[in-house]
Amino acid sequence: AQSVTQLDSQVPVFEEAPVELRCNYSSSVSVYLFWYVQYPNQGLQLLLKYLSGSTLVESINGFEAEFNKSQTSFHLRKPSVHISDTAEYFCAVSAMGGSQGNLIFGKGTKLSVKP
Amino acid sequence: KAGVTQTPRYLIKTRGQQVTLSCSPISGHRSVSWYQQTPGQGLQFLFEYFSETQRNKGNFPGRFSGRQFSNSRSEMNVSTLELGDSALYLCASSLDPTAEQFFGPGTRLTVL
Repeated sequence: AQSVTQLDSQVPVFEEAPVELRCNYSSSVSVYLFWYVQYPNQGLQLLLKYLSGSTLVESINGFEAEFNKSQTSFHLRKPSVHISDTAEYFCAVSAMGGSQGNLIFGKGTKLSVKP
Repeated sequence: KAGVTQTPRYLIKTRGQQVTLSCSPISGHRSVSWYQQTPGQGLQFLFEYFSETQRNKGNFPGRFSGRQFSNSRSEMNVSTLELGDSALYLCASSLDPTAEQFFGPGTRLTVL
């Protein structure tokens, strides 16, 4: 079985500042890792994912995450945030080789970007 | 290409009633998953269907059931509603179980 811990429930930050949203996981098998974003009153959107290969993955809107197997972490970072990044971010895992339709989510981190 | 559609978007029921939620996947997608989102428990996996077969089921009581039709549309049913069933129910579809999921906007269920 897998579990995901998002260490911060809320992260306030000023516009143009860097941000890191932390995610640690626990699993007895190798996993796929995901970050999803949820804007108010909307569903989830995939931000980025790690399936294999390079441990550093990037999204089209400037976010990046690095898979660290030894620390079982997949922290999300952005060097300079915008007001529009205000949302809730969820880290998720699924067993490698298994279904991506059976995701285990963390409790989420609310990112609040202030002007 | 139209996204995942969930109906209804909002629903109010009373304790003891039953409810059926519907999900229409993206055209061509044959895999559908359901999740429950609450402030206390977060996002929890309910079911996964592929080609009308339930592949996986989360840790929910038997009051929660689902099915998938031959056109890949899916429904989930909750019987004997409890206050704790109030939640946002999210549906996600993908081409197959190994592919990326796309989420719908959700159905907000309120149980009074």
